[in-house]
Amino acid sequence: LAKTTQPISMDSYEGQEVNITCSHNNIATNDYITWYQQFPSQGPRFIIQGYKTKVTNEVASLFIPADRKSSTLSLPRVSLSDTAVYYCLAFMEYGNKLVFGAGTILRVKS
Amino acid sequence: NAGVTQTPKFQVLKTGQSMTLQCAQDMNHEYMSWYRQDPGMGLRLIHYSVGAGITDQGEVPNGYNVSRSTTEDFPLRLLSAAPSQTSVYFCASSYPRGADYGYTFGSGTRLTVV
Repeated sequence: LAKTTQPISMDSYEGQEVNITCSHNNIATNDYITWYQQFPSQGPRFIIQGYKTKVTNEVASLFIPADRKSSTLSLPRVSLSDTAVYYCLAFMEYGNKLVFGAGTILRVKS
Repeated sequence: NAGVTQTPKFQVLKTGQSMTLQCAQDMNHEYMSWYRQDPGMGLRLIHYSVGAGITDQGEVPNGYNVSRSTTEDFPLRLLSAAPSQTSVYFCASSYPRGADYGYTFGSGTRLTVV
């Protein structure tokens, strides 16, 4: 599985758009990129996943360029409740395990 | 509500004791995994299973055993608890094609070994 690298922490203010970039230079052809959100004392929660180009759901957007060596999670108009740790992971389409890195601590301020 | 249920939510063990952390899912997911999370750190994979009767080791399997006799249940056994196993344990499950819906995680078991 490809190793992913993301910033340790980010700060933002309510109402702003937040973009968290993840690097995965050695991503394999059959790897997908997935993002999870974790609040304190809770298990991670699936946010979004994609293979390439752009994916959007009711929570976030995910941008993966053609070379797939990086990806960007975009959170529109964040609120205080979006303060959490965000994990970027690579996994195989029929993958049987997720390997987590350290994640990005996002702090949203008022 | 459908999901992953972990019991107990909290547990205190003495060094050397054994116990089983329970995990059950009612979504007919074939894939199940156990993770541990230490303070301020990410999750580390302990063991995982791709279906009933099939298990494999993850990143940190030492001191833990698993079995998968049914699709629904994936218990994690601590053979002889050590203070280094103090952690929060999460169980997760997924369909084989994880790309469809992602993994569903339980709410965790907070274990303290004294």
